[in-house]
Amino acid sequence: QVQLQESGPGLVKPSQTLSLTCTVSGDSISSGGYYWSWIRQHPGTGLEWIGHIYYSGSTYYNPSLKGRVTMSVDTSKKQFSLKLSSVTAADTAIYYCAKSSTYSSNLWDYWGQGILVTVSS
Amino acid sequence: EIVLTQSPGTLSLSPGERATLSCRASQSVSSSYLAWYQQKPRQAPRLLIYGASSRATGIPDRFSGSGSGTDFTLTISRLEPEDFAVYYCQQYGSSPWTFGQGTKVEIK
Repeated sequence: QVQLQESGPGLVKPSQTLSLTCTVSGDSISSGGYYWSWIRQHPGTGLEWIGHIYYSGSTYYNPSLKGRVTMSVDTSKKQFSLKLSSVTAADTAIYYCAKSSTYSSNLWDYWGQGILVTVSS
Repeated sequence: EIVLTQSPGTLSLSPGERATLSCRASQSVSSSYLAWYQQKPRQAPRLLIYGASSRATGIPDRFSGSGSGTDFTLTISRLEPEDFAVYYCQQYGSSPWTFGQGTKVEIK
């Protein structure tokens, strides 16, 4: 059974960089065929896809985040990571990591439990 | 970017009743690449429907999806107690992939 677990600071100061890591168990990132995504959910509201990474390191980001996003992967550690720079209060959200579905690389059927990140001084 | 608008915002129903949720897109969703998710409090979303009408593995047949173009519907034929949750539609035909704002199905 695939499991994903987010980790990282729960509090980030404005203008700093948010850094999160997702650790995958029960699966291999390097087996290919799937994309590994970050999705966030602002408090009490809807969901926003941030971007995804393939095991090769190939990335694709949501243009709305305007160049603030960087993702990386470490297949040996079975981890992939998110960095979001120049954060503001608008980046306060629950951040989920997720594995793409067998139905489409742009759907997700395995998710982490989510980590709340608050941007505040 | 395709904007998805869900209605109603909240649906108050009793167990055993039929629920009909709507998702309208700001432009046509190519190849009916429209999905539905269910989210319960303090849980991650769960994929229910993909391709507008196909159920994901393990999803009960009381859940059904329909629609094409800009208008899509999720129907729950008879609500079970575990179905009271928030439901989101998502389009994955045009990048960036976007979600609706959600419909809450609550117990009346």
